[in-house]
Order: sequence, then C-alpha cells, then structure tokens
Amino acid sequence: SQKIEQNSEALNIQEGKTATLTCNYTNYSPAYLQWYRQDPGRGPVFLLLIRENEKEKRKERLKVTFDTTLKQSLFHITASQPADSATYLCALETGRRALTFGSGTRLQVQP
Amino acid sequence: GAGVSQSPSNKVTEKGKDVELRCDPISGHTALYWYRQSLGQGLEFLIYFQGNSAPDKSGLPSDRFSAERTGGSVSTLTIQRTQQEDSAVYLCASSLGQDEETQYFGPGTRLLVL
Repeated sequence: SQKIEQNSEALNIQEGKTATLTCNYTNYSPAYLQWYRQDPGRGPVFLLLIRENEKEKRKERLKVTFDTTLKQSLFHITASQPADSATYLCALETGRRALTFGSGTRLQVQP
Repeated sequence: GAGVSQSPSNKVTEKGKDVELRCDPISGHTALYWYRQSLGQGLEFLIYFQGNSAPDKSGLPSDRFSAERTGGSVSTLTIQRTQQEDSAVYLCASSLGQDEETQYFGPGTRLLVL
C-alpha cells in the first residue's frame, strides 16, 4: 500500500542544536516533495520544495535532502530556536495536483 | 486579500444537521483545494478546483460531502446529515494553478459534531 511516514513522537531538542526530521514513503515516485510548518490552530505554511533530481536544498537555517532510492527526505533545522517549535509536515506530489501529506512530526526546542 | 480566509472559524452542530463552510482564496489564484485534518493526523485531500475545469472530487469520503466554487473565486464545502466522525479541521488552500507550486492555506474551520 502507499503511505507516508513521519515520526509520530515529538522531537525534543536543546536550543542551538540541529533538529533532523524524517519523511519516509513507500510505493510513490514523487516528482517533488514539499515541507510545511504548522503551528497550533493555524494552517500549514510552505517552507521548501525539492525535486526528484535534486539531492539537497537550503534556505537560511533549513536544509532538505531527497533520496529517491531510499524513498526518504530529511529536514534539518540548524541552530534551532524555541520559535522553531511547531509541527512539520512533508507533502508529496503523487500524480495529482493536490499534495499527499504525512501526519507530521512535532518539534519542541527547549531554551 | 492578504491571505486565504475561511469562515466560520469554529462550528458546533448536532448530528444530522447540514453545515456549510466557506473559503475565500487569494485573489488571482485559479486553483483551490479542500483538505480535512483530524486530531493528530495529516491532511486528507477532499476536492480540488482549477479554473473552469471539472473539479477533482476523488477525495470526498461520501456523497454527503459536496463543494462548489462560484465565479472562480469563493468556494463552499457542504456536509449534509453530519456524523460525529465528520468532526475535524477543514482547511482550504489556494495556488496560482501552476506545477510544483506552493499552496497557501487558510486558518481552517474547526467542526464539532455532537
């Protein structure tokens, strides 16, 4: 069956450390993958897009990798801050215009 | 407007009643999406509108759910004869209607069916 897996357990890290979130998928061949941030009571906000032919994409303190062989994307936040605390969702292109979302991983950055 | 707006922000209804949820997309965005998010879950695609094309209704969970988009702008999601399992946050997003593009989400409508 097709599925997208993100760690359902919250990730707790200390301020200043690098947070690494994982998105694994099976039985999809996405042309691209996006990462969104969602705060409580809000809609998701777009962060980064990475295409299947790109290994890595960076934006300020954010870095995304995309391994189509492992069927995995890693999302890194360097020098993390308490303001980075949120739920992070990965979303795959799955052959239709609407994205297919994972359930998200909650990140908590401790001061 | 500055972003996608949705109304109402919260809706409490009794089982069996009909509800209408409204979405105002960003001006100029031709694509509009409805998703549903249950507690602790990811976003579940419901329906997608693109310009004047026939909508992609493949995500609608039952025939109690319907949506329309009038004049290529505002959209209404209607749930008839609501059930308790319909309780969720209903999110609307819009985009320019191009490939690989960012979707801009509204704040959602929190629906509780008693």
